[in-house]
Amino acid sequence: DAGVIQSPRHEVTEMGQEVTLRCKPISGHDYLFWYRQTMMRGLELLIYFNNNVPIDDSGMPEDRFSAKMPNASFSTLKIQPSEPRDSAVYFCASSPGTPKAGNTIYFGEGSWLTVV
Amino acid sequence: KNQVEQSPQSLIILEGKNCTLQCNYTVSPFSNLRWYKQDTGRGPVSLTIMTFSENTKSNGRYTATLDADTKQSSLHITASQLSDSASYICVVSGRGFKTIFGAGTRLFVKA
Repeated sequence: DAGVIQSPRHEVTEMGQEVTLRCKPISGHDYLFWYRQTMMRGLELLIYFNNNVPIDDSGMPEDRFSAKMPNASFSTLKIQPSEPRDSAVYFCASSPGTPKAGNTIYFGEGSWLTVV
Repeated sequence: KNQVEQSPQSLIILEGKNCTLQCNYTVSPFSNLRWYKQDTGRGPVSLTIMTFSENTKSNGRYTATLDADTKQSSLHITASQLSDSASYICVVSGRGFKTIFGAGTRLFVKA
């Protein structure tokens, strides 16, 4: 299996621009997660989907952030407009079942975002 | 408040030596605890998962312990290798999808 695939791996953009991060989860996984990682705050869960339906978006920092999952094999995280404080590594992850039941969460390699 | 605290923040050891990383948590109710290894520039990779009833779980040279009474876990690395240099993150899952990440311990293994 190719694992969770994210694109782009690196993105440098100017403040105010729209940024779209993409994710292809592992085939057959029912759960998809978006995380953000910074030096100051570590890993934070932004939003997760179950069977393409957003379940909890309480971690999304503000209205500038939005996420969609139009089908089982694709998800996007969009930031519009971007700000320098959005600079971070954004991880997409997927899981075959609920982590509460002990299912492993598989992470992608991350999208390194720098907003200047 | 649900929290996961890891110590030490960073650690330097010589290749071949053993080390132990600590994780204390206050997440309740508790479902499971995981240790992840994150190499620089990569995504986290799961090392172990332990539920309430498990005290010890091994994955090669990595051994995790869990004391659910004191809400403490440790990750012991035996005969360290240069490739063990990474961040080690403790993650605790509680009710539903309440998953709390520790800040991680940064391990440096020197030749």
